[in-house]
Order: sequence, then C-alpha cells, then structure tokens
Amino acid sequence: DAGVIQSPRHEVTEMGQEVTLRCKPISGHDYLFWYRQTMMRGLELLIYFNNNVPIDDSGMPEDRFSAKMPNASFSTLKIQPSEPRDSAVYFCASSFWLAGGPYEQYFGPGTRLTVT
Amino acid sequence: KNQVEQSPQSLIILEGKNCTLQCNYTVSPFSNLRWYKQDTGRGPVSLTIMTFSENTKSNGRYTATLDADTKQSSLHITASQLSDSASYICVVSGGNKLIFGAGTRLAVHP
Repeated sequence: DAGVIQSPRHEVTEMGQEVTLRCKPISGHDYLFWYRQTMMRGLELLIYFNNNVPIDDSGMPEDRFSAKMPNASFSTLKIQPSEPRDSAVYFCASSFWLAGGPYEQYFGPGTRLTVT
Repeated sequence: KNQVEQSPQSLIILEGKNCTLQCNYTVSPFSNLRWYKQDTGRGPVSLTIMTFSENTKSNGRYTATLDADTKQSSLHITASQLSDSASYICVVSGGNKLIFGAGTRLAVHP
C-alpha cells in the first residue's frame, strides 16, 4: 500500500483565498484524522471521522474551516477565507480499529500551507 | 483539565549515549498512551502504544514505561544514533479525545 496520500504537498496562497487540502487514507482503514501542526501550538487534532461520519470536530478552529469525507477513500479540509494565521503543516492520518486493542495511526506526509 | 506535559523541551546528547524523555498527563478517562517519533519535515511515526495494564513496552532501542497510578510515562533511548535526532511526542487517548504533548526535540551529535 502507498500509505496515506496528501495533496498538495505545498500550498502558497493569498489571504482571503479558498484553500482545499486533500487526503486519501489507507485502503480498509475506517478512521480518518485531520491535524494541524505549528511551532507555537504543536500538533493539534482538528477533526476525525469514523466510517465517513464526523465523530469529533471540537478541534476545528472556527467556521472558516470545514471537512468532508464523501466516501471511504477521500477526504477534504477546506479553509475559506484563508488567513495568515492558518499557515501550518496539515497532516492527515488513518487507522483501523483492532478489537480489544487501541488503533494504530498512520500519518501522511503533510501539506505545508503558507498564507501571505 | 486534560493535559499532557513533556520534559525536557529539548535535549542534546552525544552519539552512543542513553537518554530518557518524560511525559506526565492528567487525562481522564484514560485509554492508552502513545509515543511518536517525528523527523523534520515528515509525519509522526508510532513507536509504542500502551494500555492501562501495560507498564513496559519495547521497540528496538526504544523502551517506554507507564505508571498509571502516578500518570507518568517515560521513553528511554539506548545507545543513541544520529538518526534518533527528531521530535518525540507523547499522546494520551481517553474517551473520544486525543491529547498531545508539545514534544521533546532531541539532537544527537557525533
């Protein structure tokens, strides 16, 4: 398997523009997570899905952020309008549930977003 | 308040030496504790996962311990190598929540 795939790897955009980040989880995984990482705040969980349904979105910073998972093999994280403070590395991770044990997360390579 | 605190923030050691990283948490309920290694410019990679009943788990030169009574965990790295230079992140899972520590940045020098 190719692992978790994220695109684009780098995105530079101007303030006010819409940004869409994409993620393809590992086939067979039924959990998908979106994270944001900055030097100041470290790694933060934004939202996660189970079987395409959002379970916990309490980490989504504000209404400018939205995430969707239309099917088991694709998810998007959208920022509209983008602001300079959204500049960060955004990671997607996927996992599957092991009966009787904790799940193992596999992270993608991340998308480095720069908003000017 | 659910929190995970890691120490030290950063650490420099010489190649071949051992080191220990600390993680204290106040997460409740507790489900499991994970240690991740994150190389610069890459996503985190899991090193160990421990549940309430486990107090030691090893992965090669990495050994994690968990004391559920004192809510402390440590990650011990034996015979460090240059490739161990990375950030090490402690993550505690409880209920539907994942609480992340700020990480310890380790630099191994020749």
